[in-house]
Parts: sequence; structure tokens; C-alpha cells
Amino acid sequence: AQKVTQAQTEISVVEKEDVTLDCVYETRDTTYYLFWYKQPPSGELVFLIRRNSFDEQNEISGRYSWNFQKSTSSFNFTITASQVVDSAVYFCALSETYNTDKLIFGTGTRLQVFP
Amino acid sequence: KAGVTQTPRYLIKTRGQQVTLSCSPISGHRSVSWYQQTPGQGLQFLFEYFSETQRNKGNFPGRFSGRQFSNSRSEMNVSTLELGDSALYLCASSLEPVTSATLLNEQFFGPGTRLTVL
Repeated sequence: AQKVTQAQTEISVVEKEDVTLDCVYETRDTTYYLFWYKQPPSGELVFLIRRNSFDEQNEISGRYSWNFQKSTSSFNFTITASQVVDSAVYFCALSETYNTDKLIFGTGTRLQVFP
Repeated sequence: KAGVTQTPRYLIKTRGQQVTLSCSPISGHRSVSWYQQTPGQGLQFLFEYFSETQRNKGNFPGRFSGRQFSNSRSEMNVSTLELGDSALYLCASSLEPVTSATLLNEQFFGPGTRLTVL
């Protein structure tokens, strides 16, 4: 069965600190996709990144970076120099492959960045 | 380009009633998925529609149903509401479901409909 685990329920940091959100996944598929979404207080899920199982290159986008390691089934997300606007709930998700848009979400990590 | 729209944004119902939620996908998108978000269960997949056909269904009772129209707009219906159905219902749209191992269309989520069952 497919499963996504985000062990950190809530993280609090002070502005400008770096913070890493952990994500561990389980799947028997050899081809799969991993995602991170941000959910601000407004409720709308905002897409951050998608990574497919064949691409283990780490990715950096501004202050955001992602570390994908198939050996440990992890897809961790780091925010560098956090800002108050980064406060939100962050979800890691896994997609079943082939002909479906179904996403399996982790339970989310609430990040609070204090000024 | 307008995003995914969901109506109504907020809804209050009582136990035993039924409710219909609506989702209008981004123009040109033909795939619509629904998710339920609750504090206890998190985000759970409800169903997925493409070209008016249900392609996938989550583990929800038969009280939860949906449909998609020829213009790709989708509705979901919950009959005989229970207190536990109180949740944020999110709709997502994409061009079409992934059809190869190397292609994936991004899903765009709407703002959700917050349903409260009293």
C-alpha cells in the first residue's frame, strides 16, 4: 500500500532560521511522483514541486530546496532564511502512477515562523 | 486565466440533510478530482472524473457521489449528512490524468467548500 508520513506535526522557528520538513513515503511502484504543497490559512493548496522517481537530483528554487533520496524513501523540504509569510501547513504527497490524478497526502506539517 | 472555482464557499447543514457542492475547473481542463480534508483524517481522495466518467474512487461510503458534465464542471453530493462529514472539500483540476510514465499534468486546487454539519 502507498503511504506518506510527515512525522513533524508542528514546527516553530524564528524568522531567518533554516527549517527542514521531513517526508517519508512507501510505495511498491517503480515509477511514482512526489509533491509538496503549501496550504496557507486561506485553505487553497498551492503547488510547490513535483519530482518523479527517476530523477534524484536535488532541486533549489530561491529559498526552497528539496532533497530526494530513494535509498531512504525520503523527500525532504528545506526553507532557507524563513520568513513570516512561509507560515502555513505543508503537505507531502505521492501519486499513483498511470492514468490517474489521485494523490495520497501526508498529514501535513504546520510551520509557524515568528518575527 | 481564472483558477478553479468552488461554490458555495461555506455551507451549514443539519444531520440527515443532503448537500451538493460544485466545482468549475480551469478552462480547458478535463480532469477533476475531489478531496475531503478533516483535522482527524487529513486530506483524503474522494473521486476523480475525466470526460464525464468516474475513473477512480476513494474509500468513502455510498452516501458520497459525484458526477461530471460535458463542460467538465463537476458536482459532488453527500446524502444523509452525518456530523463527521464536516470538512473542507477541495476540488482540483488538470488537463488530463497522467497517461505515461514521463508525463504529468499539474493539479490546481480550488479554495474549497467548508461544510459544517450540525
